[in-house]
Amino acid sequence: QSVLTQPPSASGTPGQRVTISCSGSSSNIGSNYVYWYQQLPGTAPKLLIYRNNQRPSGVPDRFSGSKSGTSASLAISGLRSEDEADYYCAAWDDSLSGRWVFGGGTKLTVL
Amino acid sequence: EVQLVESGGGLVQPGGSLRLSCAASGFTFSSYEMNWVRQAPGKGLEWVSYISSSGSTIYYADSVKGRFTISRDNAKNSLYLQMNSLRAEDTAVYYCAREVGAATITSYYYYMDVWGKGTTVTVSS
Repeated sequence: QSVLTQPPSASGTPGQRVTISCSGSSSNIGSNYVYWYQQLPGTAPKLLIYRNNQRPSGVPDRFSGSKSGTSASLAISGLRSEDEADYYCAAWDDSLSGRWVFGGGTKLTVL
Repeated sequence: EVQLVESGGGLVQPGGSLRLSCAASGFTFSSYEMNWVRQAPGKGLEWVSYISSSGSTIYYADSVKGRFTISRDNAKNSLYLQMNSLRAEDTAVYYCAREVGAATITSYYYYMDVWGKGTTVTVSS
């Protein structure tokens, strides 16, 4: 069971806007930044959003992130077929001896 | 080009050992913290271990504490994960990931920005 909670699946048609939620607690999302990773089938995770809402160079502005309290969300606008992937949220957790906690992942299907 | 390449995965019996390696190139390895993250078949990502740039600070997930040992050789631009007493639940793709630090006006923060392609570990009799 993952520390951060994400819906297992999401879907949309090309051109639509979809959002993926990520719920945590005061020890992780509530007190630290949220990060989002995209994992295309059979590949390694790729950083999509850092520091809640910042995009690394090369990530299209169709992807945006937000955070409020102990929850965060990833929005994808103008959905494209190549966006079909698994999406993971991540954050530091202050209550653990370690560093990172992840969501269970959301599989996005472009219909 | 910044690159991380994992190796050392394979099939091992329960109770056995394996040593994973991660070769870094395209950046000053000794300046960066590093992590191991794993992904069991059909499952999500699980953070495994962290090591500071000098190797002086190390953390482990509770699920591997006492069985796994992370280390690095900055002269060889390499990260390692020694895995002992392996269990079926350790079966996963193991990724190494670079951790970068950055600052805002009010805070300092870290994140994993570059990941390798992973190496597969299968624990089975």
